[in-house]
Amino acid sequence: ETGVTQSPTHLIKTRGQQVTLRCSSQSGHNTVSWYQQALGQGPQFIFQYYREEENGRGNFPPRFSGLQFPNYSSELNVNALELDDSALYLCASSFWSFDEQYFGPGTRLTVT
Amino acid sequence: SQQGEEDPQALSIQEGENATMNCSYKTSINNLQWYRQNSGRGLVHLILIRSNEREKHSGRLRVTLDTSKKSSSLLITASRAADTASYFCATNRGYGGTSYGKLTFGQGTILTVHP
Repeated sequence: ETGVTQSPTHLIKTRGQQVTLRCSSQSGHNTVSWYQQALGQGPQFIFQYYREEENGRGNFPPRFSGLQFPNYSSELNVNALELDDSALYLCASSFWSFDEQYFGPGTRLTVT
Repeated sequence: SQQGEEDPQALSIQEGENATMNCSYKTSINNLQWYRQNSGRGLVHLILIRSNEREKHSGRLRVTLDTSKKSSSLLITASRAADTASYFCATNRGYGGTSYGKLTFGQGTILTVHP
């Protein structure tokens, strides 16, 4: 197992609500990336943080936002939840943007 | 949208047989990575091959990369029931504006190894 942890494991929210997902990166890693994985699909890149700055973003609307803290842990915030936001959200840390990424176990979000 | 496409979508073999999965992609890359995922859990990094490398080995894994054809293959030799999982290839384009640091995944190959 990697040293990347995510919380919570599972979450059920109602359409229109807001959610915050958390990630602790592996020791020594200063880069955190977030991915959304719908059932039966490959992960889709949401954004990446390096030293508390967003340095890359995928095709996700602004209601998906994030933070990285001085200890390199990270949060993913999603506002105005939609049914299509139901997915597995994966956090991954790495020492550098182009390195192999170490994934956490994910947070399963269900929007009803 | 997914850049990569894995082939086949599903593969079923017996223990001891070799499993080969292929991946194609569309743009130039800095590196290509293979990951394994068990039952909708987190992904496990298997191997990274850079654009200037043609072949790489790690234990029972062999990865090849053909940048002229924009394709890669993953070979698992002497497969075991524990290898049953979904396998994804992912490309990293390197310095690419807003895609900086982005891994672009394919749809994955579901491998089932029967005891």
